[in-house]
Parts: sequence; C-alpha cells; structure tokens
Amino acid sequence: NAGVTQTPKFQVLKTGQSMTLQCAQDMNHEYMSWYRQDPGMGLRLIHYSVGAGITDQGEVPNGYNVSRSTTEDFPLRLLSAAPSQTSVYFCATSPRGGSGNTIYFGEGSWLTVV
Amino acid sequence: GQQLNQSPQSMFIQEGEDVSMNCTSSSIFNTWLWYKQDPGEGPVLLIALYKAGELTSNGRLTAQFGITRKDSFLNISASIPSDVGIYFCAGQLFKAAGNKLTFGGGTRVLVKP
Repeated sequence: NAGVTQTPKFQVLKTGQSMTLQCAQDMNHEYMSWYRQDPGMGLRLIHYSVGAGITDQGEVPNGYNVSRSTTEDFPLRLLSAAPSQTSVYFCATSPRGGSGNTIYFGEGSWLTVV
Repeated sequence: GQQLNQSPQSMFIQEGEDVSMNCTSSSIFNTWLWYKQDPGEGPVLLIALYKAGELTSNGRLTAQFGITRKDSFLNISASIPSDVGIYFCAGQLFKAAGNKLTFGGGTRVLVKP
C-alpha cells in the first residue's frame, strides 16, 4: 500500500450530506481508480482515470463524482449521501502500460451513512 | 456487470492443512490475479498469472490459470494462523482501460475453533 494515501480512514455521514474521499499517490502513476467493497461482492469499480483531465465511469458510478486535475490526486465526491453508499472504498493506482502486478491499493476508507 | 464466481465463500482451516479455492467466469480473461486482504487494510497481490495453463508459486501459495481462460484456482499448503483473511480473485482483460479489474466475491479463511 506504499505510495497510495486515502483520507479519511473512517467517516459517518447523515443521509443527504456531501463529502469527498481523498486519494493521493506519489508514484507518478497515470491510472487511478475508485472501487467500493460490499460484503460478499468483492470490489466493484466506481470511476477511473487514465490521466489528468480524463475520467470515465466504471460499473457502479451512480451517486459519485470524480475529477482529476493533477496526476497525484483523484478525489471521490458524494454529493448527497444515501445509506446504500455505506461501504468500504479503495483507491488504486497503476502506471500506463502496466500489467496486473503493478496495481497498488490504498488502505481503504470506511464510510457509514445513517 | 460482470462478476467472477468465487468459491467457497468461507472456509475453516486447521494449522498444517492444505486449502484450495477457485474462481470461474462466464467470459475470458487475459490475466488472473489473486489478492489477500487483512482486516482494516487494502488488498495485497499474492500471485499474477498471464498465460493459459500457467502454474505459479509464491512460497506456500500456488495458483493456476485455467486452460479455457475462464477459471483459476489458488492452493495454500501447510496453512498457518497468519493465512487467515479474505482472498480475492480478479480478472483483467488485455489492455483494459485504466487497468481495471473484475473481482470475485472473496473467500474468507478462518481458523477452526
């Protein structure tokens, strides 16, 4: 997990509140992604970015916004939190052209929406 | 969306036992990966497989990339207490946009009481 920093580690939100999960990396990786992890379902891709200024939707993008203004940062925004967004969120980074063994995950952010 | 079917969902191990888990897909992947997740942490890569039929070891761990490219298995030999955790398989397509992965649901490995 070295080089990928997620904040906050834990957060409790009320329904309807907004917040931003931060992901920062110092490995100069072009690719960054956000996954969510729910019990029994593994990790599912929310949004990803192949470089600064470029983002795209993953498998479960609804309710989340992203932007990539710098190579280092890839924040995930919840504009109006819902209980269904209670989950563990992981940021991942990898270099362009890298293969499966060059993907690095952050330590996760635990989000509870009440 | 596409999901990988991973089994078993959970298993109990006794120290010294060999354990096995597998992952199947309805479609082909070009890369299979196996990760382990400890409580409160992110997934950590154990083994990466890039070629159909490939058998790769990492210490007491052995994984194989199925011939059909639609499945993979992971074996742990002579299990020890620190093998407890959640193991995930993941598949990746060739030149996947953003290197994105498709994950299985995980196998939770627990110690027999």
